Amino acid sequence: NAGVTQTPKFQVLKTGQSMTLQCAQDMNHEYMSWYRQDPGMGLRLIHYSVGAGITDQGEVPNGYNVSRSTTEDFPLRLLSAAPSQTSVYFCASSYSKSVGYGYTFGSGTRLTVV
Amino acid sequence: TQLLEQSPQFLSIQEGENLTVYCNSSSVFSSLQWYRQEPGEGPVLLVTVVTGGEVKKLKRLTFQFGDARKDSSLHITAAQPGDTGLYLCSNDYKLSFGAGTTVTVRA
Repeated sequence: NAGVTQTPKFQVLKTGQSMTLQCAQDMNHEYMSWYRQDPGMGLRLIHYSVGAGITDQGEVPNGYNVSRSTTEDFPLRLLSAAPSQTSVYFCASSYSKSVGYGYTFGSGTRLTVV
Repeated sequence: TQLLEQSPQFLSIQEGENLTVYCNSSSVFSSLQWYRQEPGEGPVLLVTVVTGGEVKKLKRLTFQFGDARKDSSLHITAAQPGDTGLYLCSNDYKLSFGAGTTVTVRA
């Protein structure tokens, strides 16, 4: 099925470890983004990309890196995991960042940092 | 800082009752989206409203965008257990989301 695919679905890390959350879409969407979702705080934007080779920071970028080498893939890297990064991470894509297109979300990665 | 405020935070009703949830901001936005999120899944887009005063209907769901484009409401008529979920509003300004309203419809 077409859509946004995130892997893994669950992950436990030790403090200080690094890892990459994968995100791929097959809808030829130019715009992709990463959010984290914490109880009572809604979805907060981490990083986003408006096309291959172009990325920018969102509201909470510290501790995360991204790159966009292809239209399809937008991985999120945790450089040195901290307990504060325990959260559910969602990748989303859209035809355009412009008005009114809405986003297609993946099913999320639940990350626990111990 | 949350640019979008959603109310109420939680809502629990009996099947067959009506409900309304709200999304408000202090700024004017060009468009507003409503999503529903079920446990363990990502949000799913329900509707986009663009024009002030616009009303859109999706079966038993009615969405309204305020005349000043600073607020929106979602009304569900004769709620069913399948309407249970987290309802989120979003806009294009800084790509932000509200914290959501958790709706529980009891059978």
